Amino acid sequence: GAVVSQHPSWVICKSGTSVKIECRSLDFQATTMFWYRQFPKQSLMLMATSNEGSKATYEQGVEKDKFLINHASLTLSTLTVTSAHPEDSSFYICSAIDGDEQYFGPGTRLTVT
Amino acid sequence: QKEVEQNSGPLSVPEGAIASLNCTYSDRGSQSFFWYRQYSGKSPELIMFIYSNGDKEDGRFTAQLNKASQYVSLLIRDSQPSDSATYLCAVSFSGGYQKVTFGTGTKLQVIP
Repeated sequence: GAVVSQHPSWVICKSGTSVKIECRSLDFQATTMFWYRQFPKQSLMLMATSNEGSKATYEQGVEKDKFLINHASLTLSTLTVTSAHPEDSSFYICSAIDGDEQYFGPGTRLTVT
Repeated sequence: QKEVEQNSGPLSVPEGAIASLNCTYSDRGSQSFFWYRQYSGKSPELIMFIYSNGDKEDGRFTAQLNKASQYVSLLIRDSQPSDSATYLCAVSFSGGYQKVTFGTGTKLQVIP
């Protein structure tokens, strides 16, 4: 099946700093990618839909100025968590569609201290 | 608000038995239904999707959809210890993978 990678796999940052997470489709082109967040023992929550060459579509309650999404090419979408706070600590997962299937990246665990 | 409900478990079954996982959803207009498996600390992987009422089989897995009852289930035959994971039910109102709402998952434990 198709492969989606994320980088980094884990990151620790200090409160107030920004962190960039990359999501790449390795063997296919993805015009649309999705960003999810998952807190411990909770479900995945869709944060935004990332569209190549256009602005991302954010879900209700997700601050677009805090979670900056850029989908500059058909194989790369980035999520930047700006001015991170401890409550932003979570597991961030991206996904991309290839044909009829959705493929998830391995996730990025963010810890804000 | 669109909701997807699952029993959190854990559901324990002996090796070789059938595991039955259930999911209900609130939005009657939902179009697409998915089952994912998620191992601890890992991202989900798609097991199967179903769009139409009835059963859909893929190997040891069978998804069952009843739109009238707003109910979708996953049966795992000949359960193996490697099937031990959290199973996420996901539902899309718009069809495909757009605007997918996930349940909180059911933890399955297959006892050797």
